[in-house]
Amino acid sequence: DAKTTQPTSMDCAEGRAANLPCNHSTISGNEYVYWYRQIHSQGPQYIIHGLKNNETNEMASLIITEDRKSSTLILPHATLRDTAVYYCIVRVDGGANNLFFGTGTRLTVIP
Amino acid sequence: EAQVTQNPRYLITVTGKKLTVTCSQNMNHEYMSWYRQDPGLGLRQIYYSMNVEVTDKGDVPEGYKVSRKEKRNFPLILESPSPNQTSLYFCASSLLGRDRDTEAFFGQGTRLTVV
Repeated sequence: DAKTTQPTSMDCAEGRAANLPCNHSTISGNEYVYWYRQIHSQGPQYIIHGLKNNETNEMASLIITEDRKSSTLILPHATLRDTAVYYCIVRVDGGANNLFFGTGTRLTVIP
Repeated sequence: EAQVTQNPRYLITVTGKKLTVTCSQNMNHEYMSWYRQDPGLGLRQIYYSMNVEVTDKGDVPEGYKVSRKEKRNFPLILESPSPNQTSLYFCASSLLGRDRDTEAFFGQGTRLTVV
């Protein structure tokens, strides 16, 4: 799995968009970008994933740069319940096999 | 509702007293695994299973056993717990890894304290 770099922490005002960056400059052509989050000691929760194109679902949007060396997870209208640690993971395959979560970005949504 | 259910959520036990943490999923997933999470060490995989009767060691299997007699269940067994097994445990399931558009589902966690 390619190495990823994320900021240690970020703050976001409630109701504003939260933009969480991830650098993965060594990503291979067949590796996907996955995002998970963990809300205080709960089980990690899948958010979104993508290969090349930007993706959107009911939780978030994922913007991947054209060279695929970085990506941004966007929570369009952050709420207090979005306060969590967000993990960017680059992998060839999906699934629960030996996921490496690293240290992630601790997002704090401020009222 | 698609979910992974672990029990118990909290457990305090004494050294050497055998215990089992249960895990069940309702999504007909082939792949199931157990992780432990410790401060500063992230999640580390203990054991995994790619299907019924197929299990294998992860990165930190010492002191643990698992079984996969049914597709939906994947219990974690500590035959003789020790204090260094005090941790937060998560069960996860998914389709097999070759299905790239799949995602992992995690249970809510079991906080185990061994005294």
